[in-house]
Amino acid sequence: QQQVKQSPQSLIVQKGGISIINCAYENTAFDYFPWYQQFPGKGPALLIAIRPDVSEKKEGRFTISFNKSAKQFSLHIMDSQPGDSATYFCAASRTSGTYKYIFGTGTRLKVLA
Amino acid sequence: KAGVTQTPRYLIKTRGQQVTLSCSPISGHRSVSWYQQTPGQGLQFLFEYFSETQRNKGNFPGRFSGRQFSNSRSEMNVSTLELGDSALYLCASSPTGGRVGEKLFFGSGTQLSVL
Repeated sequence: QQQVKQSPQSLIVQKGGISIINCAYENTAFDYFPWYQQFPGKGPALLIAIRPDVSEKKEGRFTISFNKSAKQFSLHIMDSQPGDSATYFCAASRTSGTYKYIFGTGTRLKVLA
Repeated sequence: KAGVTQTPRYLIKTRGQQVTLSCSPISGHRSVSWYQQTPGQGLQFLFEYFSETQRNKGNFPGRFSGRQFSNSRSEMNVSTLELGDSALYLCASSPTGGRVGEKLFFGSGTQLSVL
């Protein structure tokens, strides 16, 4: 119940294309869903996050779509650029008591120039 | 503000040895979490410290331990190293670690190789 399943493991997209990464969770107590972006040699950094009271959140070229009934959420990167090439982690956490993040296994994205 | 600093950046150890990793959080941050990153497993939560107290613990054996000092700096110790402990160990800090939506700030990690 504590898992967050992420797919695909790797993704190759042409420049200008749309990158889509999916995550699914089981624990309905999760109520905060961030995405972290990690470049080689660096630690992950928060990219965008969503609470379950909204179905979509957009920040520039990055959009999170959230489906509460299906317990799924996804990251869409529009107009993908070579600079977006990185590893992306979805995560989930809950607010009851002190919380911790549960991360997905990561998606390595490569955007071809 | 300086970011999260982890030392050393790289470590090579042999099986059976022990190792200590260090993490200096962002100034003012009182929560420090540790994660193990391996290919295919993603980021796995080790433990979280707040005000020198371990507040959360992941599913790792007792060989993995940590502590936090009064200045919020944290150390992680792994005893009796095994080959499977080879990983990137990441430290993350946040102001309180107790508010939903509170951003985690990660260091660049310590790459541990066990031979």
